[in-house]
Amino acid sequence: QVQLQESGPGLVKPSETLSLTCTVSGGSVNSGDYYWSWIRQPPGKGLEWIGYIFYSGSTTYNPSLKSRVSMTLDTSKNQFSLELTSVTAADTAIYYCARDKGSGYWLDPWGQGSLVTVSS
Amino acid sequence: QSVLTQPPSVSGAPGQRVTISCSGGSSNIGAGYDVHWYQQLPGTVPKLLIYANSNRPSGVPDRFSGSKSGTSASLAITGLQAEDEADYYCQSFDSSLSVVFGGGTKLTVL
Repeated sequence: QVQLQESGPGLVKPSETLSLTCTVSGGSVNSGDYYWSWIRQPPGKGLEWIGYIFYSGSTTYNPSLKSRVSMTLDTSKNQFSLELTSVTAADTAIYYCARDKGSGYWLDPWGQGSLVTVSS
Repeated sequence: QSVLTQPPSVSGAPGQRVTISCSGGSSNIGAGYDVHWYQQLPGTVPKLLIYANSNRPSGVPDRFSGSKSGTSASLAITGLQAEDEADYYCQSFDSSLSVVFGGGTKLTVL
């Protein structure tokens, strides 16, 4: 079955760029059947969708984060990545990657999550 | 402020039935997009509980059920058990091309 695993620095300084990678096993990011999503959850708070990327490289981002978000795909490593620029303490959260079938579908499975703290 | 509105908390005694509502609008649930539900046990990853309004993934007990009507959806849990104590989130899609979540509901089993 498909499994996802996030990786990246756990601590990022304010104003810098947060970078995370999600490695997919048991399936291919090059599949035209799925989108690959990022979701975050600040400590003690709810879920916020960040955006997703399709196998073609096309992306859709949450309008509230669009100016700071970038997602890419590396089919040779079966990975997809997230970059969030100009981070502040408000970006401290657990970041999850997940698989999505596209507009209106559900997110499943999810990675285990990666806690990123923004602090100097 | 979440696009989908859920009650912050609900509670019930073991064996009872509880429902969690998820209210949206004409650009998401009311536009015909499906609603999905996730269960997040304390300290764990959100888990898909109900998909496409009323369907249970394999392994989810039939004590959990979902429904959708108009611009709202509901999750019902019957025969409440202590292990059901968790946060529950609804999710849909918005015509602004965004995946949207509810703010989450904390279920307490008394």
